[in-house]
Amino acid sequence: DAGITQSPRHKVTETGTPVTLRCHQTENHRYMYWYRQDPGHGLRLIHYSYGVKDTDKGEVSDGYSVSRSKTEDFLLTLESATSSQTSVYFCAISETSQPQHFGDGTRLSIL
Amino acid sequence: AQKITQTQPGMFVQEKEAVTLDCTYDTSDPSYGLFWYKQPSSGEMIFLIYQGSYDQQNATEGRYSLNFQKARKSANLVISASQLGDSAMYFCAMREGNGNNRLAFGKGNQVVVIP
Repeated sequence: DAGITQSPRHKVTETGTPVTLRCHQTENHRYMYWYRQDPGHGLRLIHYSYGVKDTDKGEVSDGYSVSRSKTEDFLLTLESATSSQTSVYFCAISETSQPQHFGDGTRLSIL
Repeated sequence: AQKITQTQPGMFVQEKEAVTLDCTYDTSDPSYGLFWYKQPSSGEMIFLIYQGSYDQQNATEGRYSLNFQKARKSANLVISASQLGDSAMYFCAMREGNGNNRLAFGKGNQVVVIP
């Protein structure tokens, strides 16, 4: 087990509400990532972080923001959730040139 | 442009037989890495095997091996002696050598092992 905890594991919310997902690691890895997984699309990168307060956009970043104020925590925020953001969200961590290891995922439903 | 292509339809394989999952990739970077992940029905993503672009030999990890054909830009996963627990989605991914450690994933191959 790679020491990654995602919370919450399941969430149902309404359109227009803010939502924050948390990823917590105990491995002290430099890199952290947020992906979403949708049928027919595989995993798509939303945002990633390469250090404390160092983040960058992935391929599907619109409507999402992230923050990393300490090494172990990477937060993903949906400022105003939309139904198109209903998905399974995965956090991953890695060290330089090492494989990424994934959390167990968060199932988010926006009604 | 899609960087990782996995186009096989869902596959059924007999228990104890071998199965090959196709993956082709597209990059102009001479330094890259290729990864395979397994996602069982329970949903977690499990790292299986890694191949670096400069590795001289094909990677192996237990029953998993990677058939790396650099000139053809393919990195097929071979699972030998299939077990019922191998039933899952399998994802191929590529990391390019630009230093940011990002992965691009394919859309996955579904494998069902039948007894």
